[in-house]
Amino acid sequence: EAAVTQSPRNKVTVTGGNVTLSCRQTNSHNYMYWYRQDTGHGLRLIHYSYGAGNLQIGDVPDGYKATRTTQEDFFLLLELASPSQTSLYFCASSDAGTKEDTGQLYFGEGSKLTVL
Amino acid sequence: GDSVTQMQGQVTLSEDDFLFINCTYSTTWYPTLFWYVQYPGEGPQLLLKVTTANNKGISRGFEATYDKGTTSFHLQKASVQESDSAVYYCVLGVWSNYQLIWGSGTKLIIKP
Repeated sequence: EAAVTQSPRNKVTVTGGNVTLSCRQTNSHNYMYWYRQDTGHGLRLIHYSYGAGNLQIGDVPDGYKATRTTQEDFFLLLELASPSQTSLYFCASSDAGTKEDTGQLYFGEGSKLTVL
Repeated sequence: GDSVTQMQGQVTLSEDDFLFINCTYSTTWYPTLFWYVQYPGEGPQLLLKVTTANNKGISRGFEATYDKGTTSFHLQKASVQESDSAVYYCVLGVWSNYQLIWGSGTKLIIKP
């Protein structure tokens, strides 16, 4: 069973604050993703990566940076947080591009961010 | 471009009712279609995957198929239970860039 762990699970910051959300997966998957989930919008892709040092822009990247330091670790950075970034953030990994290549995403439990 | 439309934002049923959720898709690539389920307080998890038109995917009492002619895919269950209360997402897999295109989700509420 794929394991994706996110931290912190809950975070409160103020407008202009600096936030880093962390994600670690332990299944040697190549692809990792950051999504945000908001009522009425479903899941929206922020950034994704297909390996250490790689970064791809998703559908809603403005105000977010990301960095993939190793195959296991993917970070989402909000350097000047705004109230519009209050959301539930999910990290996911996928075996896409490997010999298994089922395309299935494995999600973490989510990180709830509140920007006051 | 690639897209998925999931029109039913919420479905309310009673236990033992029949469930049917429909989505439409658009892609120039050969599609792989998924259904994910999200229970309260959890991340989404894969429910079903369908890779061949008119073939059924079956899991946990749910069935999924897709129709290339109408570019639609649907999820059904003959008799829902309270434990099926969740949000269901239809998802289009686009392997040209390993992207998943998500529908907006259908919240299933089961009346006790």
